[in-house]
Amino acid sequence: DTEVTQTPKHLVMGMTNKKSLKCEQHMGHRAMYWYKQKAKKPPELMFVYSYEKLSINESVPSRFSPECPNSSLLNLHLHALQPEDSALYLCASSPGRQTMNTEAFFGQGTRLTVV
Amino acid sequence: AQSVTQLGSHVSVSEGALVLLRCNYSSSVPPYLFWYVQYPNQGLQLLLKYTTGATLVKGINGFEAEFKKSETSFHLTKPSAHMSDAAEYFCAVENNAGNMLTFGGGTRLMVKP
Repeated sequence: DTEVTQTPKHLVMGMTNKKSLKCEQHMGHRAMYWYKQKAKKPPELMFVYSYEKLSINESVPSRFSPECPNSSLLNLHLHALQPEDSALYLCASSPGRQTMNTEAFFGQGTRLTVV
Repeated sequence: AQSVTQLGSHVSVSEGALVLLRCNYSSSVPPYLFWYVQYPNQGLQLLLKYTTGATLVKGINGFEAEFKKSETSFHLTKPSAHMSDAAEYFCAVENNAGNMLTFGGGTRLMVKP
């Protein structure tokens, strides 16, 4: 199984809503990532979890709150978002440098629209 | 810090023609380099990667790339374009710690019949 599964595929939320994006992988990877991708732009790194610990936060606003309950799961909790937060949110995982196999696998993304 | 530059945000080729997508990188250490493809409203799929060893790397769907240290380049090629190759292509470099990818701006490949 070389899949990263993201749910939901599409999400429309109001600016006062609270919602969560979910990401799951069963490849035994120990690094998981959240990226944000605006239209016609490359993905921008938001967070990195390594061995279930937050290792990188790219100065992301606190209305985005990541959580890594275990090595297979990664959540992104959303609260009080703005319309400019509308984007494709991509989850990825990789084995970690220790294995010298650095390939990152990406999920299909969640298309988020904030209204 | 690592960085990636993709020359040409849009490339158009005819079906059957050579595909050449350019990528130049900046890295203070030997880089790990990747090419990803993204179809509309999809995630990113790895085409190929260079870590160590042979500098000519073959990937999926007939694509290949050559790591040229002297030119700090990792251009992506395919001898004959198919209509199904139309997509966005991203070159990426991994940071020293091995926990972060930096992407180039992307190149949209269009294939004309």
